[in-house]
Amino acid sequence: NAGVTQTPKFQVLKTGQSMTLQCAQDMNHNSMYWYRQDPGMGLRLIYYSASEGTTDKGEVPNGYNVSRLNKREFSLRLESAAPSQTSVYFCASNDQGAGTNEKLFFGSGTQLSVL
Amino acid sequence: SQQGEEDPQALSIQEGENATMNCSYKTSINNLQWYRQNSGRGLVHLILIRSNEREKHSGRLRVTLDTSKKSSSLLITASRAADTASYFCATDVSGNTPLVFGKGTRLSVIA
Repeated sequence: NAGVTQTPKFQVLKTGQSMTLQCAQDMNHNSMYWYRQDPGMGLRLIYYSASEGTTDKGEVPNGYNVSRLNKREFSLRLESAAPSQTSVYFCASNDQGAGTNEKLFFGSGTQLSVL
Repeated sequence: SQQGEEDPQALSIQEGENATMNCSYKTSINNLQWYRQNSGRGLVHLILIRSNEREKHSGRLRVTLDTSKKSSSLLITASRAADTASYFCATDVSGNTPLVFGKGTRLSVIA
């Protein structure tokens, strides 16, 4: 029972470098999400994909891009990393739509530091 | 911006005591969910309560929802040291919109 798998777990970047965070789920969920968590700020939604082939901006999308590669995989890309993007990133998935928003399953997180 | 706001921000109790955390939100909701996060880990779902429900139980957890006051409470009875974690409420305005999380309550249960 893998659930939601995120890679890498830790990453250190220099300002201006790019990287992609990978996320995969094996629960056949139609919706996937990327959140960031900063101290004292709780979780804030970056982007989400309600279903395969669709993506939408969340509360804090600037500086990020996403790709819903297939139903299982949803990646988050930082094109030019900035120190303000130092954070812990969580991928999550659930079944959403048709009037229901079921519980989220979270990955274990990626701790990213941008120097 | 965050929809839900937990209160208190931090709570410290003795093992065996009950812990109560509150969540207030701003707009009408479809459902409200509570999650737990142990230090350095991802969030884990605890309980979901729909807008037409007033109370739900799951083991030592009791959740209430008052839509007229736009608030919810999470009660953990007979707390244990293993309950030490951060607790978050999350709401959605419809089943087709993403969950929005509050900033959380940090609970410390002292053995």
